[in-house]
Amino acid sequence: GAVVSQHPSRVICKSGTSVKIECRSLDFQATTMFWYRQFPKQSLMLMATSNEGSKATYEQGVEKDKFLINHASLTLSTLTVTSAHPEDSSFYICSADSGASSYEQYFGPGTRLTVT
Amino acid sequence: DAKTTQPPSMDCAEGRAANLPCNHSTISGNEYVYWYRQIHSQGPQYIIHGLKNNETNEMASLIITEDRKSSTLILPHATLRDTAVYYCIVVSGNTPLVFGKGTRLSVIA
Repeated sequence: GAVVSQHPSRVICKSGTSVKIECRSLDFQATTMFWYRQFPKQSLMLMATSNEGSKATYEQGVEKDKFLINHASLTLSTLTVTSAHPEDSSFYICSADSGASSYEQYFGPGTRLTVT
Repeated sequence: DAKTTQPPSMDCAEGRAANLPCNHSTISGNEYVYWYRQIHSQGPQYIIHGLKNNETNEMASLIITEDRKSSTLILPHATLRDTAVYYCIVVSGNTPLVFGKGTRLSVIA
């Protein structure tokens, strides 16, 4: 099946710094990728939809200037958490649309962000 | 909001079949039923999907009622590695997945 990778798998950063998370589709091209956030004991919450070559679409309540998304190629989308604060500590997960008629999405393994 | 309702948790003995129900009474004609699962601290994993016919693959079977208002995911011989949160999601087109709270399945030795 299709594989999606994320890097880094976990990161610890200090409050006020920025962190970039990469999401790559390894064996297929993804016109659309999605970014989710998951807090402990909660379900995944969609943050934004990332379309190659255009601006991301953010969900209500997600600050686009704080969570910068870039989807410059068909295999790479990046999420940058700017001026991170402890409340941004979470599990960030990306998924990629396979483009097949079945609408199946492939998820990355997630990135655990801890802001101290 | 999620368009599905699932029990919050279930237990299953190892080696037995795990039957996970899902209600999706407002599903429309062009919407699929998808099942994903999430093992602790990992990304979700696709399991199976269907429109109106029952489906089976190497992981599971999906039984959809004739009126399509509910479905059941069946893991025929549950193992300890099947312990996870299982999500039933209604999907229409290439849209983002809306995750509900899912069912936490605990497989017990």
